[in-house]
Amino acid sequence: DLQMTQSPYTLSASVGDRVTITCRASQSISTWLAWYQQKTGKAPKLLIYKASNLDSGVPSRFSGSGFGTEFTLTISSLQPDDFATYYCQQYNSYPWTFGQGTKVEIK
Amino acid sequence: EVQLVESGGGLVQPGRSLRLSCAASGFTFDDYAMHWVRQAPGKGLEWVSGISWNSGDIGYADSVKGRFTISRDNAKNSLYLQMNSLRAEDTALYYCAKDFGSLWYFNHWGQGTLVTVSS
Repeated sequence: DLQMTQSPYTLSASVGDRVTITCRASQSISTWLAWYQQKTGKAPKLLIYKASNLDSGVPSRFSGSGFGTEFTLTISSLQPDDFATYYCQQYNSYPWTFGQGTKVEIK
Repeated sequence: EVQLVESGGGLVQPGRSLRLSCAASGFTFDDYAMHWVRQAPGKGLEWVSGISWNSGDIGYADSVKGRFTISRDNAKNSLYLQMNSLRAEDTALYYCAKDFGSLWYFNHWGQGTLVTVSS
């Protein structure tokens, strides 16, 4: 199965910081990658699809990039509403797989 | 507005069966693939199974293959997950998720139904 590895596992940051999360695939997935945000006790929410496309209504401070095996999610200026756990997910081949998650905490 | 409402969760003994349902509304159900994704308590997300709009393409995670069966009834706008031979490690919140199109990513999620496998 295709493995997705996120780093870091936990990230402590302050409001206004620029934050970058990395997701690495065990083999090339082209740009078949999505990013989700999950807040405690809530269902995940789609942020980005096809590696760099922002879903409707997602603030422009979120951006995604990458191709092949290495991808990044960047929050340009962290806001209070952004403290959450973020997951990458590949949809290149069955079984679909998620990264283990990156928790963004308040510093 | 897209709505996905899961039901059927509960406490079940190891080795027994359970059937989850997901009632969909707010979109043309038979135009989209659908999925089940689960999350064990305090853990990350795990894709369980996905089904294309016409049930012609179905996939499962290795951890549930041979034990779980996904199905859909387009006339009833409903998605199902038949779970047999349940194990303690199947304990999780099970989310129903709508695909963007044809077995890609998940652009809408339900609130989940909790399955607890314990004696």
